[in-house]
Amino acid sequence: EIVMTQSPATLSVSPGERATLSCRASQSVSSNLAWYQQKPGQAPRLLIYGASTRATGIPARFSGSGSGTEFTLTISSLQSEDFAVYYCQQYNNWPQLTFGGGTKVEIK
Amino acid sequence: QVTLRESGPALVKPTQTLTLTCTFSGFSLSTSGMCVSWVRQPPGKALEWLALIDWDDDKYYSTSLKTRLTISKDTSKNQVVLTMTNMDPVDTATYYCARSTAMVAPFDYWGQGTLVTVSS
Repeated sequence: EIVMTQSPATLSVSPGERATLSCRASQSVSSNLAWYQQKPGQAPRLLIYGASTRATGIPARFSGSGSGTEFTLTISSLQSEDFAVYYCQQYNNWPQLTFGGGTKVEIK
Repeated sequence: QVTLRESGPALVKPTQTLTLTCTFSGFSLSTSGMCVSWVRQPPGKALEWLALIDWDDDKYYSTSLKTRLTISKDTSKNQVVLTMTNMDPVDTATYYCARSTAMVAPFDYWGQGTLVTVSS
């Protein structure tokens, strides 16, 4: 099983600032990496797939980068609606799909 | 418009079998490449993939839970069913179904989830 490790567990950011979230895979997942946003009481929402491609309707302030074992999600200027938990997920080692433990982005 | 909706009991007793149904619309599970998975999330914890069924009726399970899981589909009813045997309080979680459009693909649509509590 590929283990996905996210850091930090909690990120305190002021509105308008940049947020940088990290995700590390225990072995290479190529670019088969997705990011999801989850707000309290809601299902996850796909933000990024293929490590860097924004899903339909996702604002340009969200960007993803990386390949292999190291990945980054950047939110360029945090809006109030962006405070949430973010999960990475690898789908390279199909069908044993695994998620990271999540990063909570909270208001500083 | 793609939608998925989970249904099933909110409360089950330890050792019982859980049966959840995912009813979907806006796509067909007979379309080549289409897959539906089940994912769960214990309260305050991370997401865990459980099982997947594809358009060709191939079934895949989490290595750690495969002895307890069965996934099936009824294409005519646009439903996917998950059964989990021998439920335990640690299985208390919100259970989601989610769609992917290819074998190696992310989950692009999710249901709203259903909370299942395991307690006597």
